[in-house]
Amino acid sequence: DAKTTQPPSMDCAEGRAANLPCNHSTISGNEYVYWYRQIHSQGPQYIIHGLKNNETNEMASLIITEDRKSSTLILPHATLRDTAVYYCIVRGKNSGNTPLVFGKGTRLSVIA
Amino acid sequence: GAVVSQHPSRVICKSGTSVKIECRSLDFQATTMFWYRQFPKQSLMLMATSNEGSKATYEQGVEKDKFLINHASLTLSTLTVTSAHPEDSSFYICSANTGGRETQYFGPGTRLLVL
Repeated sequence: DAKTTQPPSMDCAEGRAANLPCNHSTISGNEYVYWYRQIHSQGPQYIIHGLKNNETNEMASLIITEDRKSSTLILPHATLRDTAVYYCIVRGKNSGNTPLVFGKGTRLSVIA
Repeated sequence: GAVVSQHPSRVICKSGTSVKIECRSLDFQATTMFWYRQFPKQSLMLMATSNEGSKATYEQGVEKDKFLINHASLTLSTLTVTSAHPEDSSFYICSANTGGRETQYFGPGTRLLVL
């Protein structure tokens, strides 16, 4: 699976959009971009994933660049409960029996 | 999303005792489960892959005789920390998928403190 690079930390004001970037310049054509987050002392929570089209669900939006070398997770209206470590992970299609490999992620602090 | 549970959520034990942690997939059958360990201020580190009906596959540096894994059914995997020592104190997290799903779901974690 391709390696990802994320900033170690970010701050965001409550109510504003949080935009979390991720670089994955070595991504291959059949690899998905996954986003998970881990709130303190909890297990990771799945947020969203995508292949090449932008995706949106009730939690977030995922914007993937046309060349697929980077992506941005958008939390449209951040709340204090969104404070967590966010992990961007690239994973091959049909990798259901292989584990997710976690990097260091981005620690997002939502500030009142 | 799919639900994965862990039990217990936290455990305190004396050095030298064994501790069993259960991981259950509540609304789907999991042919494969994964066990991770997380030390304070660090990321999740994969310990082993648990396959239903067969032996677990351990990552390099993880002692299979110390961390016993049993995946006896499609909804349950157990991790037993044998002869626990203070350095085994950590946050243990399991995850599961069905093999056909692309998404991996995680349990809430078990915090182990060995005194």
